[in-house]
Amino acid sequence: EAGVVQSPRYKIIEKKQPVAFWCNPISGHNTLYWYRQNLGQGPELLIRYENEEAVDDSQLPKDRFSAERLKGVDSTLKIQPAELGDSAVYLCASTPDRLAGNIQYFGAGTRLSVL
Amino acid sequence: SQKIEQNSEALNIQEGKTATLTCNYTNYSPAYLQWYRQDPGRGPVFLLLIRENEKEKRKERLKVTFDTTLKQSLFHITASQPADSATYLCACPTGSYIPTFGRGTSLIVHP
Repeated sequence: EAGVVQSPRYKIIEKKQPVAFWCNPISGHNTLYWYRQNLGQGPELLIRYENEEAVDDSQLPKDRFSAERLKGVDSTLKIQPAELGDSAVYLCASTPDRLAGNIQYFGAGTRLSVL
Repeated sequence: SQKIEQNSEALNIQEGKTATLTCNYTNYSPAYLQWYRQDPGRGPVFLLLIRENEKEKRKERLKVTFDTTLKQSLFHITASQPADSATYLCACPTGSYIPTFGRGTSLIVHP
């Protein structure tokens, strides 16, 4: 079974440029999460999707971040414009059953460097 | 809001010894606690889940305990190996099953 796939693995951009990350969750996993992980810290939730519906997006900086999950499968996370403080690893995770322990299956992440 | 606290200092141990990592939560007892392993450049990988009504959970060389009185979970690796070197993250659900992660503790097992 394929795991959670994220691309690109690395992205270097200049500040004020836009950037997008893509995630393909494990087949059959209806719940999808986007996290941001700063160096030396644990993942912090940005947004959670239940199928196509975005829920728990209170931590998403909506002035510059946006996300979508069309057809309830793949998801993209966009930043426009990027700021220096956005440099971090962006992780995508999916879970098969949110109510039975909510075990998170993570992708390898996208490491973003904003110069 | 719930906070997860893990020791930010790296734990250095000799191969063959038991590693013990600590996870403390600050408020109400969560329904369960999870432990994940994260290697450099990789996403976290789920290891174990322990529920509020369970005292202990084991999986091969891994053992997790959950003490609601102390508001603490301990994660043990017995007969540690250099390959166990990684960062170990503790996580628990907050409202609406929102996962909250600790910052993780780095474990370094010396041969």
